[in-house]
Amino acid sequence: EAQVTQNPRYLITVTGKKLTVTCSQNMNHEYMSWYRQDPGLGLRQIYYSMNVEVTDKGDVPEGYKVSRKEKRNFPLILESPSPNQTSLYFCASSWAGTYAQYFGPGTRLTVT
Amino acid sequence: KQEVTQIPAALSVPEGENLVLNCSFTDSAIYNLQWFRQDPGKGLTSLLLIQSSQREQTSGRLNASLDKSSGRSTLYIAASQPGDSATYLCAVIDGNKLVFGAGTILRVKS
Repeated sequence: EAQVTQNPRYLITVTGKKLTVTCSQNMNHEYMSWYRQDPGLGLRQIYYSMNVEVTDKGDVPEGYKVSRKEKRNFPLILESPSPNQTSLYFCASSWAGTYAQYFGPGTRLTVT
Repeated sequence: KQEVTQIPAALSVPEGENLVLNCSFTDSAIYNLQWFRQDPGKGLTSLLLIQSSQREQTSGRLNASLDKSSGRSTLYIAASQPGDSATYLCAVIDGNKLVFGAGTILRVKS
């Protein structure tokens, strides 16, 4: 089954404790992206990647890092999480940035 | 800067009604437009993608139209069912990202 998977689905952590949210797709898509969804602010892009070793900032990249060492994986790294990073995070993939994007199930992160 | 607006913010209809959800965007230089459905606490399910050169797309009871010149798209849902209750999101593909509207919360009453 073609899908985008994210792990973990739920995470509660404390301020400053480094964490990684994994994202993997099995559709051989070149483009991958991370979004966060917040009440009243909607979905906003954090980072995206056009291909292996090619990443770029989205609209809200502060406090996040990404890497794309393999085509199928695009982890989101929070080096020192803060409470304002409490949010619902989605990973998406596509053949290219201008094609239909397919989303993972989401990761609900709470930083206390 | 591209901005996407969805009207209405919420809609409640009885089962069986046909309904229209509206989406408008400020910059007509878009690549494509995508409609999604989001169930509470869940991910986004892609419903329809309309390419910038197309006027409409259909999938089952769903029909989406696109008028780039006026900056508008509509999602038409025929014969609504309680299972259609969800938040519907419109997003324009602007460069290398999706720019989302705030969504329309739809409730279909049985």
